[in-house]
Amino acid sequence: SQQGEEDPQALSIQEGENATMNCSYKTSINNLQWYRQNSGRGLVHLILIRSNEREKHSGRLRVTLDTSKKSSSLLITASRAADTASYFCATAPYTGANSKLTFGKGITLSVRP
Amino acid sequence: DAGVTQSPTHLIKTRGQQVTLRCSPKSGHDTVSWYQQALGQGPQFIFQYYEEEERQRGNFPDRFSGHQFPNYSSELNVNALLLGDSALYLCASSLQGESYEQYFGPGTRLTVT
Repeated sequence: SQQGEEDPQALSIQEGENATMNCSYKTSINNLQWYRQNSGRGLVHLILIRSNEREKHSGRLRVTLDTSKKSSSLLITASRAADTASYFCATAPYTGANSKLTFGKGITLSVRP
Repeated sequence: DAGVTQSPTHLIKTRGQQVTLRCSPKSGHDTVSWYQQALGQGPQFIFQYYEEEERQRGNFPDRFSGHQFPNYSSELNVNALLLGDSALYLCASSLQGESYEQYFGPGTRLTVT
């Protein structure tokens, strides 16, 4: 079953604009991760935020986590055409690289040149 | 340094047949997880192998089985294929004791006709 639900399901923006994607989840987590997938191929890890963190930055990415609302958001600033992809949030119930991940259904982002 | 590799890239099978998918983890990794991603959905956890044993399992029937070899590579076997088994199968590798990072392969696209 899917743990996370992303919102919106699809997003289309102009190059240079910011893209905001949201994720909600249902059960307790140790950490939440965001992944990118291009054209139905492998997943690329973008950023991870632990349950005791509220905000994290990595380059043009900013992720927030609100455990009281069981929600997270991913902001991509100054978007580029190369950011066009599907984005997934995934939750991990406990620490460690061996923790299974539970993914949402994903958000399709299109960045128009 | 090779990342996670999977073979084959694409596969077409008939209902009722059996299939074996293969995964080689990233160099230095000892844990392999398998995920199924149906079209338009997020990946779903199938199971995880460490020290040649299945350590965790998702909500998948016994038709799905696996194996891990002494060199840490892994196979996913699916028996009595159903049309609903058509999906992208992703392998992820990680290192026990490390924090959080899982690396995904490019996937194997299985089509059941």
